[in-house]
Amino acid sequence: RKEVEQDPGPFNVPEGATVAFNCTYSNSASQSFFWYRQDCRKEPKLLMSVYSSGNEDGRFTAQLNRASQYISLLIRDSKLSDSATYLCVVNIGRSGNTPLVFGKGTRLSVIA
Amino acid sequence: DAGVIQSPRHEVTEMGQEVTLRCKPISGHNSLFWYRQTMMRGLELLIYFNNNVPIDDSGMPEDRFSAKMPNASFSTLKIQPSEPRDSAVYFCAVPKHGDGNTIYFGEGSWLTVV
Repeated sequence: RKEVEQDPGPFNVPEGATVAFNCTYSNSASQSFFWYRQDCRKEPKLLMSVYSSGNEDGRFTAQLNRASQYISLLIRDSKLSDSATYLCVVNIGRSGNTPLVFGKGTRLSVIA
Repeated sequence: DAGVIQSPRHEVTEMGQEVTLRCKPISGHNSLFWYRQTMMRGLELLIYFNNNVPIDDSGMPEDRFSAKMPNASFSTLKIQPSEPRDSAVYFCAVPKHGDGNTIYFGEGSWLTVV
């Protein structure tokens, strides 16, 4: 079983729609959680961290359920510029210098 | 932004040739990660360094792959001999100073082995 699993999509949604991505992780010792965004033919970039209490950044809301080992990302009022691949990421180590483990990503296309 | 510079950006090489990929973080880092990305397998960790020492190279596919980090501002990933299945994007990444949970990727080296 892969350590981080995501629905690969693609999710094709109209502008203004709300879309949700889900992710599960297998290692219960995972300490930190993130969503990264990767545009076509570009490198991944941090979108937001995910905290146990849930957190919001503008139109983006991330949730973590440690008991179910489940992470989600909600995008409200989607824009054309949100089209990208969204990578679910976990860090197993306590130290910030341990490597991040990436899911394969969920591809989103926002259509006009 | 850590300013991670990778070279070459694109390389097409023939099977059996040696390939050397380079990574230069503009701000010196003692930790550095090499990832490989393919459509089939996504982003996979190949190797990572802490204090310029390789900590975990279990992701390196086989003996054809080797990596070095002689100082905080330079690392190489070498494939010898290369095979078509090595075709992928190879990313170098470093942690953000003061926040090791955020990592900055270089733009990647796009390798095609024919």
